[in-house]
Amino acid sequence: KAGVTQTPRYLIKTRGQQVTLSCSPISGHRSVSWYQQTPGQGLQFLFEYFSETQRNKGNFPGRFSGRQFSNSRSEMNVSTLELGDSALYLCASSLVPPQRSTDTQYFGPGTRLTVL
Amino acid sequence: QKEVEQNSGPLSVPEGAIASLNCTYSDRVSQSFFWYRQYSGKSPELIMSIYSNGDKEDGRFTAQLNKASQYVSLLIRDSQPSDSATYLCAVIYNFNKFYFGSGTKLNVKP
Repeated sequence: KAGVTQTPRYLIKTRGQQVTLSCSPISGHRSVSWYQQTPGQGLQFLFEYFSETQRNKGNFPGRFSGRQFSNSRSEMNVSTLELGDSALYLCASSLVPPQRSTDTQYFGPGTRLTVL
Repeated sequence: QKEVEQNSGPLSVPEGAIASLNCTYSDRVSQSFFWYRQYSGKSPELIMSIYSNGDKEDGRFTAQLNKASQYVSLLIRDSQPSDSATYLCAVIYNFNKFYFGSGTKLNVKP
């Protein structure tokens, strides 16, 4: 079974631009979560989608948005990029929204975004 | 105060020793607890999850949960150089939000 895939793997943008990242979950998984990872802040939760609905959102500004399609694929968008948005963006999928210790999230390889 | 706290390390142990990694969390209503391993340049991978107080063993790994004291730990027995990585503790709050600690870097010296 194929794992979580994320595209693109690397991205370089300039301040003020916008970017769209894509995540394809493991086949059959309907929950997708997004995280930002930086050396200073560690892994921070962005949002979680299940059945095309955003169920949870972390403490990020409105410039960060996302959506999920009927095939469970998800995209996240960052508008008006800032230097501080440079990070590794990780997507994780699970069968259903993770609630119990039996629910495992599988992470994709991430998209490394650099904002110049 | 962060929801999940970990000592950033690095924690250095000799090969064959027991590595002990600790994590504290702030919410007494936390439901589930996870340990992930992340190699440099790679994405996190799940090692163990624990839900109930006490110990849970899986091979060389043992997770320990103490809800009264609000800590969860991971013991790695017979540590190997291949165990050198950053270990992330994660907690589920409010039934569906994952909070991760900043990770502890473990170095296992041959």
